[in-house]
Amino acid sequence: DIVMTQSPDSLAVSLGERATINCRSSQSLLYSFNNENHVAWYQQRPGQPPKLLIYWASTRESGVPGRFSGSGSGTDFTLTISNLQAEDVAVYYCQQYYGTPYTFGRGTKLEIK
Amino acid sequence: QVQLQQSGPGLVRPSQTLSLTCAISGDSVSRNTVAWVWIRQSPSRGLEWLGRTYYTAKWYNDYDVSVKSRITIFSDTSKNQFSLHLSSVTPDDTAVYYCARASPALNSWSQGTLVTVSS
Repeated sequence: DIVMTQSPDSLAVSLGERATINCRSSQSLLYSFNNENHVAWYQQRPGQPPKLLIYWASTRESGVPGRFSGSGSGTDFTLTISNLQAEDVAVYYCQQYYGTPYTFGRGTKLEIK
Repeated sequence: QVQLQQSGPGLVRPSQTLSLTCAISGDSVSRNTVAWVWIRQSPSRGLEWLGRTYYTAKWYNDYDVSVKSRITIFSDTSKNQFSLHLSSVTPDDTAVYYCARASPALNSWSQGTLVTVSS
């Protein structure tokens, strides 16, 4: 199975500042047939299912605010949340959909400092 | 807008079969390029992708090897829904279970069902 390693486990950032979450995969997630990185990012608020934020490593899902951005390629990926808002408090997960089973990272808990 | 409505018991006895159904509205279970997925979440295991079913000229299934001997995911096109059967459950199968739509990222999720395995 492909292992997705997220860091840090938790993060406290001041309102209006930037949060950066990292995800490393145990093998490359760049698929040669479509030249896309098969990585997604999700946000999970307490008591809610995960919500898709980013797919293909950097494509924002419809309706997701522009302060959320994804980057990276191969095995190293980053979710950046700019201008942090109170409603961004959540746990964030990366997921690979390169090869089954489509594994998730363990999550990064984001709090307000 | 796709909506997924889960149903099934919240308590299952050890060694019995866990059965959940996910009713789809706003999409078709037999749509090409879309897969229908079961995922569970627990404090010990985190988010765990269990398996999927999808239709591309015929029906296919993929399962996580850790549950492959116990899991069945199948669709009912007449009811536009898909289901999960997980047999021989133990307390380790206690988790919140979600159904989701994958194209290929998981862009629609059910609210989830806490399934407790206990006698």
